[in-house]
Amino acid sequence: GAGVSQSPRYKVAKRGQDVALRCDPISGHVSLFWYQQALGQGPEFLTYFQNEAQLDKSGLPSDRFFAERPEGSVSTLKIQRTQQEDSAVYLCASSLGRSGELFFGEGSRLTVL
Amino acid sequence: AQSVTQLDSQVPVFEEAPVELRCNYSSSVSVYLFWYVQYPNQGLQLLLKYLSGSTLVKGINGFEAEFNKSQTSFHLRKPSVHISDTAEYFCAVSDRDSSASKIIFGSGTRLSIRP
Repeated sequence: GAGVSQSPRYKVAKRGQDVALRCDPISGHVSLFWYQQALGQGPEFLTYFQNEAQLDKSGLPSDRFFAERPEGSVSTLKIQRTQQEDSAVYLCASSLGRSGELFFGEGSRLTVL
Repeated sequence: AQSVTQLDSQVPVFEEAPVELRCNYSSSVSVYLFWYVQYPNQGLQLLLKYLSGSTLVKGINGFEAEFNKSQTSFHLRKPSVHISDTAEYFCAVSDRDSSASKIIFGSGTRLSIRP
């Protein structure tokens, strides 16, 4: 497709369950970002990849959060042992370069019961 | 560390009235600045960006923003709003001189247009 694709769009998890969120960036986009957006808030930075290298993961809230982009294209955000406070929309964005426009996916809405 | 402050969480205006959405940033280095818009039930999209050069930046849908380095501000303006401008607007900043800089977003301003 032409845009950033995220799946699943909606995920309901029981507390303690592991989840994996997938991001398919625009082909050729070097940079990939993950953000967490709570209701009524702005996107909070989680982590940033340039190709397959994870250059910044300072925003990951705990060691339960893990992201990878092994071949420099598709990325997966994994959350282990989900907690209620993990409920949010997880946004993926890609760009050609750091000063370029960020293209966002529609997000994956995670609800932890 | 960089940060972005959007002073108004909500801005109600009448249709065809002018609007200004305020954004201030905090950074010890040179920055890139952005405004993104999120229409209801849609993903974020770029409205405009400041990278260098002229401090007045024009974007899509008649919006413009002015970079003011001394006041560390990047306010967004439109001379006459339309109902279709109803959306959430996010200001964002990144470090210009770093090869690995995250883009930091403000908490957003909800613009509601009254007929």
